[in-house]
Amino acid sequence: EAQVTQNPRYLITVTGKKLTVTCSQNMNHEYMSWYRQDPGLGLRQIYYSMNVEVTDKGDVPEGYKVSRKEKRNFPLILESPSPNQTSLYFCASRGLAGGDTQYFGPGTRLTVL
Amino acid sequence: LAKTTQPISMDSYEGQEVNITCSHNNIATNDYITWYQQFPSQGPRFIIQGYKTKVTNEVASLFIPADRKSSTLSLPRVSLSDTAVYYCLVERNTGFQKLVFGTGTRLLVSP
Repeated sequence: EAQVTQNPRYLITVTGKKLTVTCSQNMNHEYMSWYRQDPGLGLRQIYYSMNVEVTDKGDVPEGYKVSRKEKRNFPLILESPSPNQTSLYFCASRGLAGGDTQYFGPGTRLTVL
Repeated sequence: LAKTTQPISMDSYEGQEVNITCSHNNIATNDYITWYQQFPSQGPRFIIQGYKTKVTNEVASLFIPADRKSSTLSLPRVSLSDTAVYYCLVERNTGFQKLVFGTGTRLLVSP
């Protein structure tokens, strides 16, 4: 089954404690992306990756890092989380052929105390 | 990349047809228009995509005029389960891939 998986699904942590949210896709997609969703603000792109070792900033990259060492994985790293990073996070992937669409993961709800 | 503008919310009743219009004035030649549906605490899921004129699938139709500066998602005979947020997104399949979601349209379907 084609899918994007994220782990963990729920996480409560404290300010300053480094964390990583994993994202994996099994569709051999080149493009992967991270979004955060906050009430009233819709989905905002954090980082995206066009392929292995190719990443770029989205609209709200501050406080986040990503890496793309393998095609299927695109982890999101918060080196020093802060309460304003409390949010619902989605990973997505997509092929680059004309007409391809994004497949989204189930989401990770992060609370930073 | 083209930003999109949609109504914040819409109300409808079961069995009615719902049309949600999206404005994307700065759409480029190689951009597609994609609509996603999102239920609370779930990831968005693909509904329909088009480049020009009309596209229809088993759940919706998408109308795109010749100038492509807007598009209309049409949901025939909505049911309560169609209550969700609908996002219009302009996606480019080559080159620059920064994507900008709008705030979406919250559709409420009542009995």
